[in-house]
Amino acid sequence: DAEITQSPRHKITETGRQVTLACHQTWNHNNMFWYRQDLGHGLRLIHYSYGVQDTNKGEVSDGYSVSRSNTEDLPLTLESAASSQTSVYFCASSESPAAREAFFGQGTRLTVV
Amino acid sequence: QQQVKQSPQSLIVQKGGISIINCAYENTAFDYFPWYQQFPGKGPALLIAIRPDVSEKKEGRFTISFNKSAKQFSLHIMDSQPGDSATYFCAPTSNTGKLIFGQGTTLQVKP
Repeated sequence: DAEITQSPRHKITETGRQVTLACHQTWNHNNMFWYRQDLGHGLRLIHYSYGVQDTNKGEVSDGYSVSRSNTEDLPLTLESAASSQTSVYFCASSESPAAREAFFGQGTRLTVV
Repeated sequence: QQQVKQSPQSLIVQKGGISIINCAYENTAFDYFPWYQQFPGKGPALLIAIRPDVSEKKEGRFTISFNKSAKQFSLHIMDSQPGDSATYFCAPTSNTGKLIFGQGTTLQVKP
């Protein structure tokens, strides 16, 4: 079955370190998204991509970057981890810009100490 | 910018009761109004969604009511079950495909 997987599921890192969270989907979806989930805020959009070589900033993009070199993967990089980036991160994909249903990964819980 | 406001933040319902969660939005470009369900340790998953050309959609025990003029939509869970205990998010979207999430409602259904 097609799926979307995130790795690692849990990570603890130190302030100032660079961290990369992986997202891989096997649906061949064009759209991919990164969200962070914090209590009281729901899920907020960090970055998104509509296809290979396309990346766009979301609502809370400061301190994060993404790259899209193929259809299947959209890694999220924290350039210099900060305690404020302690959160649960979700990757999602959807078929096209016009498609409405998004499919989510299981999430990565990141703790910055 | 608070585009989507969801209420209540938490809800406790007895088994067999009705759960109602509300969502208000500002962006008139939204054209798809879904509710996502999230269990602990899992990602959100689409539960039910409605397009603005209808005012109500029912799927089993779950119903969406949509009021375009008021820019509001709500989720009704009939005959609530303990297995419905989860966090629910409204997440309206437009043709950008970007979901704009509400703050979430934690539902607890007591046996």
